Amino acid sequence: EAQVTQNPRYLITVTGKKLTVTCSQNMNHEYMSWYRQDPGLGLRQIYYSMNVEVTDKGDVPEGYKVSRKEKRNFPLILESPSPNQTSLYFCASSLGQDYNEQFFGPGTRLTVL
Amino acid sequence: GNSVTQMEGPVTLSEEAFLTINCTYTATGYPSLFWYVQYPGEGLQLLLKATKADDKGSNKGFEATYRKETTSFHLEKGSVQVSDSAVYFCALRNAGGTSYGKLTFGQGTILTVHP
Repeated sequence: EAQVTQNPRYLITVTGKKLTVTCSQNMNHEYMSWYRQDPGLGLRQIYYSMNVEVTDKGDVPEGYKVSRKEKRNFPLILESPSPNQTSLYFCASSLGQDYNEQFFGPGTRLTVL
Repeated sequence: GNSVTQMEGPVTLSEEAFLTINCTYTATGYPSLFWYVQYPGEGLQLLLKATKADDKGSNKGFEATYRKETTSFHLEKGSVQVSDSAVYFCALRNAGGTSYGKLTFGQGTILTVHP
């Protein structure tokens, strides 16, 4: 089944404790992206990647890092989480940046205390 | 920069009522326009899309027409069902510039349909 998977689905952590949210897709997609969803703000792009070893900042990259060492994986790293990073996070992928449909993962709900 | 504005929610309707969710956008160039739907506890799914002016996207009884003159892409359905209860997001895909390919989302509209 073609899909985007994220882990964990739910995470409660404390300020300053490094964490990684994994994202994997099995569709051989080149383009991958991370969004955060906050009430009243919709989804905002954090980082994106057009291919292996090619990443760039989105609208709200502060406090986040990403890497793209393999085509299928695009982990999101929070080196020192803070409470304002409490949010619902979505990973998405598409064949390329030109393609109309992005496929979304199920989301990761992160709470930083 | 690009932006998408959706009508304020939440929207509550009875089954078989007519649905309209307004969406307007600001963008440079000629973006593609989308409606995504998010069912409870799930990720976003593409509902419909339109890639150029006057295109009509349709799926599952929902429709939206790309109106360049009014920069709008309103979502409509003639008869909603309880199963349509979800959050609906209007979005555009940048047509060019430094963020080519990025999706810009509206704030989302919560729809609740009662039997």
